[in-house]
Amino acid sequence: ETGVTQSPTHLIKTRGQQVTLRCSSQSGHNTVSWYQQALGQGPQFIFQYYREEENGRGNFPPRFSGLQFPNYSSELNVNALELDDSALYLCASSQGRDGTYGYTFGSGTRLTVV
Amino acid sequence: AQSVSQHNHHVILSEAASLELGCNYSYGGTVNLFWYVQYPGQHLQLLLKYFSGDPLVKGIKGFEAEFIKSKFSFNLRKPSVQWSDTAEYFCGGGADGLTFGKGTHLIIQP
Repeated sequence: ETGVTQSPTHLIKTRGQQVTLRCSSQSGHNTVSWYQQALGQGPQFIFQYYREEENGRGNFPPRFSGLQFPNYSSELNVNALELDDSALYLCASSQGRDGTYGYTFGSGTRLTVV
Repeated sequence: AQSVSQHNHHVILSEAASLELGCNYSYGGTVNLFWYVQYPGQHLQLLLKYFSGDPLVKGIKGFEAEFIKSKFSFNLRKPSVQWSDTAEYFCGGGADGLTFGKGTHLIIQP
């Protein structure tokens, strides 16, 4: 079975721009969640989608938005980028909405905002 | 609001020493607890998880954790560490998305 794949692996954007990050969930998984991991910190929960509907959101502003598609892949969109948005963005997928079976993480997208 | 805290941010041990990393959670409702490991340059990998049943959970690579409800704790243990256990360890919990602790950077000296 394939794992979670994220693209791109690295990205450099300018402050004020918009960015879209992509995630393909593991085969058989219908839930996708996104996390922001700053250097030296634990991952911070952004939001989660279960069967194309958002079913959980962390403490992130509305300029962080997302989508889940019918094939359960997902996008994270960030508008009006700020320098503090520079981080590793992780996608995780699971089977079922409550993570009972555990979450499988991708390798992440390293976003640098200059 | 749910929160997860890890007590030790940096731990240095010698090979064959015993390991215990602390984790406390603070939230109600369904208790779903995890430990993840992040080896240098690699993605987060699930070590073990607890949802219900036997509070002593066995994971991969010889790790185990004990859920103690009265102490809101879910500490990670390994009786004898190896150099290859050098990594970042994260405790996490939650149902609709995970709340993680800040992580413990574990260094095993040969």
